[in-house]
Amino acid sequence: DAKTTQPPSMDCAEGRAANLPCNHSTISGNEYVYWYRQIHSQGPQYIIHGLKNNETNEMASLIITEDRKSSTLILPHATLRDTAVYYCIVSRQNFVFGPGTRLSVLP
Amino acid sequence: KAGVTQTPRYLIKTRGQQVTLSCSPISGHRSVSWYQQTPGQGLQFLFEYFSETQRNKGNFPGRFSGRQFSNSRSEMNVSTLELGDSALYLCASSLEADTEAFFGQGTRLTVV
Repeated sequence: DAKTTQPPSMDCAEGRAANLPCNHSTISGNEYVYWYRQIHSQGPQYIIHGLKNNETNEMASLIITEDRKSSTLILPHATLRDTAVYYCIVSRQNFVFGPGTRLSVLP
Repeated sequence: KAGVTQTPRYLIKTRGQQVTLSCSPISGHRSVSWYQQTPGQGLQFLFEYFSETQRNKGNFPGRFSGRQFSNSRSEMNVSTLELGDSALYLCASSLEADTEAFFGQGTRLTVV
């Protein structure tokens, strides 16, 4: 599975959009980009995933660059409850979790 | 629709003992994966079962084993427990490969 690189931490003001970047320069053609988040030792929560096209659901949007070497998770209006560790994973199966990005949403 | 259920939620065991953890996947999901999470190593893949067969295995010693039943429920077993096995053990289920996986709340194992 491809390795991902994420910033270790980010801050975001409540109500603003949170843009979380992820680099996955060694991604192969059949690997998906998945995003999960984990709130204080609970089980990771699925957010969104995509292969090539941008995706949007009720939680977030996923923007994947045309060369698929990087992606951005967008939380359009961050709330305090979005404070969590966000994991970007590229995989066909058997997720390899990195350290993720610790997002702090500030009041 | 019920989520992934893991039992027990908390467990305390003594070094040298063995432990069995249980995972009930989302109804209809045939793939079950197990992960170990520790503060030092983060989330690490243990193994994955699909239709009662182990499809993939992570880099863990043979003391860690698992199985999946015909109803897709899965168990993992750790024998000869060591202090370093203290961790949050997470189970995830998915319909197939290449589909999103949903995690349970985990079993927190403490070895004393």
